[in-house]
Amino acid sequence: DGGITQSPKYLFRKEGQNVTLSCEQNLNHDAMYWYRQDPGQGLRLIYYSQIVNDFQKGDIAEGYSVSREKKESFPLTVTSAQKNPTAFYLCAARDRGPYGYTFGSGTRLTVV
Amino acid sequence: LAKTTQPISMDSYEGQEVNITCSHNNIATNDYITWYQQFPSQGPRFIIQGYKTKVTNEVASLFIPADRKSSTLSLPRVSLSDTAVYYCLVGAGDPGNTPLVFGKGTRLSVIA
Repeated sequence: DGGITQSPKYLFRKEGQNVTLSCEQNLNHDAMYWYRQDPGQGLRLIYYSQIVNDFQKGDIAEGYSVSREKKESFPLTVTSAQKNPTAFYLCAARDRGPYGYTFGSGTRLTVV
Repeated sequence: LAKTTQPISMDSYEGQEVNITCSHNNIATNDYITWYQQFPSQGPRFIIQGYKTKVTNEVASLFIPADRKSSTLSLPRVSLSDTAVYYCLVGAGDPGNTPLVFGKGTRLSVIA
């Protein structure tokens, strides 16, 4: 059963800590994306990768970093430079062509 | 990327047909129109995609006029479980997998 796996489902971060959110896909899709969603808001693009070892900044990349060492994996690190990291984070993958995204179930990050 | 405009919210009674219209005046020739559904604390789920005229699947219908400057998502006989946010996106026609832009969507509330 193909899909996107995000872990953990809930994550708590102390002030000044870096945390890494995992995103794994078994769909064999080239492109992967990270979005952030705040309460009552739409999705905002953080980073995306169209191919292994390559990625681009989205609209709100400051305070975040990513890597794409394998086609299946696209982890997101929320660094201490991100001043307001509490949000719902969504990872997605998409195949080439006019096809839709497949989303993971999300990670809810809370700063404590 | 073509910008989309859709109503912020809609209410409907159970059993009624719901039509959500999205305007996208600047749609490009190779753009597709895609609709997603999102429940609270979940990732968006693909509903339907079209290029022109009418598309129907087991969940919804998508009506696209000849000028493609708008589209209408039709949900037949809604139930309480259709309460969700619905996003209209335009793009995905390019081979480079340019990220799609999610607006705030339309929050549909179905009332018993």
